Amino acid sequence: DVKVTQSSRYLVKRTGEKVFLECVQDMDHENMFWYRQDPGLGLRLIYFSYDVKMKEKGDIPEGYSVSREKKERFSLILESASTNQTSMYLCASNHRGTGRTDTQYFGPGTRLTVL
Amino acid sequence: AQSVAQPEDQVNVAEGNPLTVKCTYSVSGNPYLFWYVQYPNRGLQFLLKYITGDNLVKGSYGFEAEFNKSQTSFHLKKPSALVSDSALYFCAVRDAGTGGFKTIFGAGTRLFVKA
Repeated sequence: DVKVTQSSRYLVKRTGEKVFLECVQDMDHENMFWYRQDPGLGLRLIYFSYDVKMKEKGDIPEGYSVSREKKERFSLILESASTNQTSMYLCASNHRGTGRTDTQYFGPGTRLTVL
Repeated sequence: AQSVAQPEDQVNVAEGNPLTVKCTYSVSGNPYLFWYVQYPNRGLQFLLKYITGDNLVKGSYGFEAEFNKSQTSFHLKKPSALVSDSALYFCAVRDAGTGGFKTIFGAGTRLFVKA
């Protein structure tokens, strides 16, 4: 059974804090993605990675960075959290070989509140 | 540029009645089209996808979608709605003609099925 897990379901942080969101998949997928989900805006891609140590900016990378040191783990980092980063964060993964057609598998999401 | 439109924020339907959730898209090349569903407090789950071939695609939980190239639409349908179908539905498109792995998601349509 495929599985994508995220380190926290709910997080509350203060403005200016450094925040780490962790994602782990057990499907040996090459591609991993970070999205944020906001009402009325759907999912917007922050960053994705197609291999270990490789990363590409998505549509809204400002204020975020990522790390992919191991194939199964993809971390999203908020260097200095701000209130406009309050959102639901979703991690996803899929295979690279059929990446254009392959389904993405999503984690349960982390709801981050920045006060 | 790729885009996806879900023109209805919310769809209300009575249990047992047919349901339709609308989606239109814009891509420069051939589209790969997806529907995902999000139940409360859970990540997105894959429902179905169109890559090529038959325009009518069948998916999980009795859902189906029809690819209409002339109208650039990919509406999600079910002949008989269940209360348990109440959820948030996302349409997504990937441009088959471009490199990379970027998927564009619609803003989402909330489906309410009333008993």
